[in-house]
Parts: sequence; structure tokens; C-alpha cells
Amino acid sequence: ILNVEQSPQSLHVQEGDSTNFTCSFPSSNFYALHWYRWETAKSPEALFVMTLNGDEKKKGRISATLNTKEGYSYLYIKGSQPEDSATYLCASLSGSARQLTFGSGTQLTVLP
Amino acid sequence: GAGVSQSPSNKVTEKGKDVELRCDPISGHTALYWYRQSLGQGLEFLIYFQGNSAPDKSGLPSDRFSAERTGGSVSTLTIQRTQQEDSAVYLCASSLVGTRRRGEKLFFGSGTQLSVL
Repeated sequence: ILNVEQSPQSLHVQEGDSTNFTCSFPSSNFYALHWYRWETAKSPEALFVMTLNGDEKKKGRISATLNTKEGYSYLYIKGSQPEDSATYLCASLSGSARQLTFGSGTQLTVLP
Repeated sequence: GAGVSQSPSNKVTEKGKDVELRCDPISGHTALYWYRQSLGQGLEFLIYFQGNSAPDKSGLPSDRFSAERTGGSVSTLTIQRTQQEDSAVYLCASSLVGTRRRGEKLFFGSGTQLSVL
């Protein structure tokens, strides 16, 4: 059974603060790691798909890193804004599986 | 349509009733997934369709759950004799060929909030 763990479960930050969350996953037979942002009353939206050890991706103020040997990924948000408030989900694909296994998410609230 | 469409957005039903949830994927996407999120839990995989291949039903929690995909497009998830533990947000997602193609991401619908009283 593949377990994907995310921490923290939730956090509150002030507008302008930078923050980061962790996604850990079993490192054996790694294939891909996805990050999604899920805003209330909207559809989850893909942020990044990473496949190679050492990958770093960036989209505006949001970036992510990947370490497949030790089985973790970090998501960073620089200068958080209220519109960044959402649940951030990571998901791992490994072995011969055809479907992603999701973590339970990190719920971010950015206070104005 | 421009995105994945799900209906209804909200469904309230009584225990023991059957419900049908609908998903209309992005045109041309051959892969379709159903997930659900129960309160406080992560997204749980239910079923996966890929083209004309037999669906991967390994995530369906019981034989009360079934799904079909007609003509390689619209999918319906049916829950028979609903129970209170079926209450969750049911999400549908599609992708061009499937997440085994490196770098391919999922496109999600906005979900159906199912409440079983």
C-alpha cells in the first residue's frame, strides 16, 4: 500500500509571509509526483507534475522541489496573498499503478 | 465544453435510495477517473477508464458502487442503497491518455457533494 503524507494538515499565515509544506511518499518504484490546488467551491487545479529527482518547478510565487531518493517534495509560496488560500494536495504515482494516490492535503489560510 | 463538467453539484438523499452522479470529461480525453473525498480524508480512488480497455474498478468500496462510461465520453457513477458513510464529495477527472504518460496532469470537475441522511 502506497501512503502519501502531507504536513502540516493546516496552517494560517499573514499576508506577505512565505510558507512551505511537505509531501512525503514511498521512494521505491517512483514514477511521478503531482501538486494540485483546491480552492473552496472550485475544481482542483494542477500546479506541477514532477518526474525526475532534483526537479524544481516554479509558477509565479509558487515553487516545488522533488527528492525521489528520500521520498519528499516541498511546496513553497513566497509572499502569500489571500487568494492563495486553498487546500494543497500532493499525489504520487509509482510502480505500475495507473492512478494517483493522494495525500489528505494542507489547508492554507492567508490572513489579510 | 471547456472543462470537466459534473452534475448535480449537490445531492441530498435518504439512506437506502439509489443515486446517479454524472461526469462529462473534456472532449478528446481518453482517461477518466472517479475519486471521492470524505470529511477529513484524502482523495480516495474509485475507478479508472482508459479508452476501450476494461475499467480498473479496484477502488470501488463495495458492490453497491458501479460506474460506466458510454461511447468513451460521459460517465455515470451509481451508488445503490446509499448509506450515511457514502456522504462525500465525488470528483471526476480526465486526462488526454492517462497519468502513465510522463508529465500528464489531471483536469478535475468541481465535484458532487453527496449527503445521505
